[in-house]
Parts: sequence; C-alpha cells; structure tokens
Amino acid sequence: EDKVVQSPLSLVVHEGDTVTLNCSYEVTNFRSLLWYKQEKKAPTFLFMLTSSGIEKKSGRLSSILDKKELFSILNITATQTGDSAVYLCAVGTGTASKLTFGTGTRLQVTL
Amino acid sequence: GAVVSQHPSWVICKSGTSVKIECRSLDFQATTMFWYRQFPKQSLMLMATSNEGSKATYEQGVEKDKFLINHASLTLSTLTVTSAHPEDSSFYICSASPRSSGSYEQYFGPGTRLTVT
Repeated sequence: EDKVVQSPLSLVVHEGDTVTLNCSYEVTNFRSLLWYKQEKKAPTFLFMLTSSGIEKKSGRLSSILDKKELFSILNITATQTGDSAVYLCAVGTGTASKLTFGTGTRLQVTL
Repeated sequence: GAVVSQHPSWVICKSGTSVKIECRSLDFQATTMFWYRQFPKQSLMLMATSNEGSKATYEQGVEKDKFLINHASLTLSTLTVTSAHPEDSSFYICSASPRSSGSYEQYFGPGTRLTVT
C-alpha cells in the first residue's frame, strides 16, 4: 500500500522564522511529488517535483526532492501570518494520474 | 488559469435523499477528474477517478452504487450521493487534471460541505 508521511504534524512559529516541512514516501511506481497549501477550503497548488536535486522556488517558498532517500522538504523563509495553513504533500503514482496524500502539517505563524 | 468550480458550496439534506455535486473545469479541458472526501482535521481521501466518456474507477471501500459519478464532458463531472445518511456528512472536493499537462498536476475545486440530518 502506498504511504506518504509528513512531519511534523503541527508547528507554531513566530513571524519571520524559517520553517522546514518534511514529506517521506513509500510508493510503487513513483511519478511525481506535489505540495499544496490548504487554508479554509480546497488545496491550492504550490509545486510539482519530478527530478531529484532540482530546487523549485516561488517567492519565500522553495522545495526539493530526493528520490534516492524518498523524501521532499518544503521551506518557507521569513514566515508571515498569511502562511498559516495546512501544507499537504501528495505523491503521483502509476499511469492514472492518481495522487496519494499525506496527513498534512498544520502551520501556525504568530505575531 | 486552471480554475475549477464546484456547486453547491454547501448543502444540508435529510437522511434518505440524494444530493448531486457538480465539478467544472472553467478554463481548461480535463480528461480526468478526481473526487475526494475530507473529514475534519484529516487529509484528503481519494474516492474515485472519473474519466470522460467511461466508467469511474472507485477506490477500495467506496460503494459505487452509493456514490454515482458521471463525467459527461471534458469540463464537467458530477458526484451523486444516493440515499444519504448522517455518516456521509463530509467535505467533498473535486480536482481536475489538465488534458494537455501529461502530468500529475491537479487543480482543486473549492469543495462542497455536505451535512445530512
């Protein structure tokens, strides 16, 4: 059975801090790893990673994938209260575009 | 771009009735749409994969006769919860994969909160 595990489950930081969120996976037929941000409603897409070692960056957020060690990290620098959300990691497997989601990391950024 | 809408955004229905939820890709064509449910403070659980013009593929443990899925066009999929019961109350989210992407990129609708009384 495919498994995606995220850590920590929750995290509280002060505004301005840098955070690192982790995602490890055990799946058959890995195709890609995706990060999403979920606030009150549905998830919004952040990154999709398919190759090891190539950092993807968008503003204060960045992510990298290690296909040998089967994990990915999501970094957020200079956190703001608007970064408070649940961050979901998902792994795409097989040929049916199916995603398996991790349990998410709940991030709270305080003033 | 890549906007997905869902309707209704919330619905309350009585036990035993059926509820239909629509998922539309507004600015792209989607050969594949996915239906998830999410319980409070839990992650998304895939219910089924909906392919345009063919039968949906259901995940293990999901009753296909209870959760009817129709993917009539490249921009519309519907989920009908038949004979709803209180335990079906949940947040239902659809996503769509762009036809041209050839990848696992999925764009999510805003979700539908279903409450069965």
